[in-house]
Amino acid sequence: EIVMTQSPATLSVSPGERATLSCRASQSVGSNLAWYQQKPGQAPRLLIYGASTRATGIPARFSGSGSGTEFTLTISSLQSEDFAVYYCQQYNSWPPITFGGGTKVEIK
Amino acid sequence: EVQLLESGGNLVQPGGSLRLSCAASGFTFSGYAMSWVRQAPGKGLEWVSGISGSGGSTYYADSVKGRFTISRDNSKNTLYLQMNSLRAEDTALYYCAKDHEYQLLRGFFDYWGQGTLVTVSS
Repeated sequence: EIVMTQSPATLSVSPGERATLSCRASQSVGSNLAWYQQKPGQAPRLLIYGASTRATGIPARFSGSGSGTEFTLTISSLQSEDFAVYYCQQYNSWPPITFGGGTKVEIK
Repeated sequence: EVQLLESGGNLVQPGGSLRLSCAASGFTFSGYAMSWVRQAPGKGLEWVSGISGSGGSTYYADSVKGRFTISRDNSKNTLYLQMNSLRAEDTALYYCAKDHEYQLLRGFFDYWGQGTLVTVSS
């Protein structure tokens, strides 16, 4: 099973600032990495797949990068609606599909 | 508009059974693989099970293998999860999720339902 590790667990950022979230895989997943956003009481929303391709309707301030075992989600200028929990997920080698433990982006 | 509506969650005693359903609309259901993903209260996401568009291939997490069965009825546009021998650790919000790509089993999800709550407790 591929273990996904996200850091930090919590990220405190002021509106308008850049946020950088990290995700590490225990073995290579190539570019088969997705990012999701989840707000309280809501289902997850797909942001990024293929490590760097934005899903339909996702603003350009969200960008993904990386390959192999190291990945990054960057939010270039945080808006109020971006404060949420973010999960990475690998789909290179499954079952099982595995998610990271999440990074909570909170208002500083 | 794609819609996924889960139902069937309930309070059940340890060792009991439950069947979850997910009614899909707004897309060609038979053309997409589907999965169940759960989230324990205050915790992260855990993939539970997946099924190909035809229903011919099924996949399970080790934590549920032998106890849960995923299936689908493409004539009814409905996904199911039969849950047997339930344990306290199965307590979670269960989401159904649609695979992103048509006729491929990629394993990432572009639409999710709002979830149905399963509580296993005596």
